[in-house]
Amino acid sequence: QQPVQSPQAVILREGEDAVINCSSSKALYSVHWYRQKHGEAPVFLMILLKGGEQKGHDKISASFNEKKQQSSLYLTASQLSYSGTYFCGTVPSGGSNYKLTFGKGTLLTVNP
Amino acid sequence: DTEVTQTPKHLVMGMTNKKSLKCEQHMGHRAMYWYKQKAKKPPELMFVYSYEKLSINESVPSRFSPECPNSSLLNLHLHALQPEDSALYLCASSQGADYTGELFFGEGSRLTVL
Repeated sequence: QQPVQSPQAVILREGEDAVINCSSSKALYSVHWYRQKHGEAPVFLMILLKGGEQKGHDKISASFNEKKQQSSLYLTASQLSYSGTYFCGTVPSGGSNYKLTFGKGTLLTVNP
Repeated sequence: DTEVTQTPKHLVMGMTNKKSLKCEQHMGHRAMYWYKQKAKKPPELMFVYSYEKLSINESVPSRFSPECPNSSLLNLHLHALQPEDSALYLCASSQGADYTGELFFGEGSRLTVL
């Protein structure tokens, strides 16, 4: 089941903040966030495991609300290097074969 | 070494050709993956190998045939492909296949089927 990401696209000026949301209709084991720049491989940002945790990585952080089956990625004081497509990936809980399914992505453009 | 290396970077093939994509990692990871990505779409899982055994096949057509000769290598054999199979094929690896760790992606093999 593909998670739903919003917004589909966002344009920022350098230094502005953004929030990208990811929601699932299924109970989740974990949420993953990746960034992919044009013509490059996806790059790992962070994983959140069930338990409702929040993580941070430089000026990028994320939260995971297990009860609501939602995660949000927070980008503060955006830099030009933050531009790219952000994918959340979800792994449903239950079952023996874990599968990571990516959302459709959020295209983030940071302008000077 | 935190790299996943894929070859070739670009491949053009006819519908009757047989070709292979290759993926290599030397991080000691025990799970390896093939993903397919179309332009402006997310990566879609094709196959998962865990400890050199095929653990997930996402109902991929038999014209795609994966092979894991050892824990460092992953191949994708291609035969009688269709033009709609043109895409970026991404290989990834991770410590285990339980998705508690990050996936390391290669830069991909861009396939064009004529």
